[in-house]
Amino acid sequence: AQRVTQPEKLLSVFKGAPVELKCNYSYSGSPELFWYVQYSRQRLQLLLRHISRESIKGFTADLNKGETSFHLKKPFAQEEDSAMYYCALSGRGNAGNMLTFGGGTRLMVKP
Amino acid sequence: GAVVSQHPSWVICKSGTSVKIECRSLDFQATTMFWYRQFPKQSLMLMATSNEGSKATYEQGVEKDKFLINHASLTLSTLTVTSAHPEDSSFYICSARTQREQLFGPGTRLTVT
Repeated sequence: AQRVTQPEKLLSVFKGAPVELKCNYSYSGSPELFWYVQYSRQRLQLLLRHISRESIKGFTADLNKGETSFHLKKPFAQEEDSAMYYCALSGRGNAGNMLTFGGGTRLMVKP
Repeated sequence: GAVVSQHPSWVICKSGTSVKIECRSLDFQATTMFWYRQFPKQSLMLMATSNEGSKATYEQGVEKDKFLINHASLTLSTLTVTSAHPEDSSFYICSARTQREQLFGPGTRLTVT
């Protein structure tokens, strides 16, 4: 079974502060990990994926297989980063590549 | 560009009636689409995987006779909530995968009175 855990439901930081949204997963094989973001009144959209090793909107995430984690980080949070963030896992070879989502973390960046 | 659309965006219906929600892939074809349900302030829960030309695969605990899924073409999947009850009120989101990523629809808010 695959599971994604986001321990924090709410994370509140001030503008300019570093932010880290935690994500831990359990999966017996070799997973693909993603971060999705949902801004207010907008649809869910892909933020980044671990295989791309890219930085999007200043966010990065490194897959740590030893700790089974995929934490999302940004060194200086901006007010426009306020949104719901979901960590998701797709098992390789999974039929249809279905995604399993974590519970989500609401990030609030205060001015 | 590739987009997933849903119709309607919101619907209110009376208990006992049925409601159909459409999910379309625009500018791409999707042999597989996914239906999720999201309760307020909660995460997305996969309900079923819709397969073009064949039966949908339902997740454990999801009643297939209550949530009828039809994936009749490569660009359209429908979810019909039959004999709706107030506890079916929720946000329903569909998703389809391009070659690059999984795209999500804007969601349909269903309220059953």
